Amino acid sequence: NAGVTQTPKFQVLKTGQSMTLQCAQDMNHEYMSWYRQDPGMGLRLIHYSVGAGITDQGEVPNGYNVSRSTTEDFPLRLLSAAPSQTSVYFCASSPQGGMGGYTFGSGTRLTVV
Amino acid sequence: SQQGEEDPQALSIQEGENATMNCSYKTSINNLQWYRQNSGRGLVHLILIRSNEREKHSGRLRVTLDTSKKSSSLLITASRAADTASYFCATEGNSGYSTLTFGKGTMLLVSP
Repeated sequence: NAGVTQTPKFQVLKTGQSMTLQCAQDMNHEYMSWYRQDPGMGLRLIHYSVGAGITDQGEVPNGYNVSRSTTEDFPLRLLSAAPSQTSVYFCASSPQGGMGGYTFGSGTRLTVV
Repeated sequence: SQQGEEDPQALSIQEGENATMNCSYKTSINNLQWYRQNSGRGLVHLILIRSNEREKHSGRLRVTLDTSKKSSSLLITASRAADTASYFCATEGNSGYSTLTFGKGTMLLVSP
């Protein structure tokens, strides 16, 4: 099992550019989430999904968009990149809320210049 | 907003010693989880304790939960250099769709 796969691992964007961070899991997990990790801030929830076709906003959703057309994939779109979005992004999945721990991807380190 | 707050922010010990990290949270929870993050890597799930449990063990890990005080502790016994990492507590709420809310973490350094 590959678990949770995130691509790319590193990315540099110019202010105003758009891009999509990819996340795929092969564990048939219903729950998927996107977090950003900034120094001294821990992890903050951006968007999450409790199943295909269902998404909702987390703590810091502004500037990001998500969709969940399949159980396996949960891409995160940056609409118009800003330097404040420089961060490390993690995707995570879980079989169902309260049923077990989350499996995290290895992260995408994004720099916006 | 952050739900969990870990204490201390940083901890430095010698190999063989025990390491204790604490976590406090604000609202009612379904469960509390602890994760480890090695530098530059993703988070790894260590242990989950449900709101109706008071203590749980997994190998060298012992977790306690006191829902009346809204606090938890993670004890790592007989620490090894390989335990050097950041440790995060995360809470899963008990209303509606549940998501994980993380604290800011404790950085543990275990010296040989």
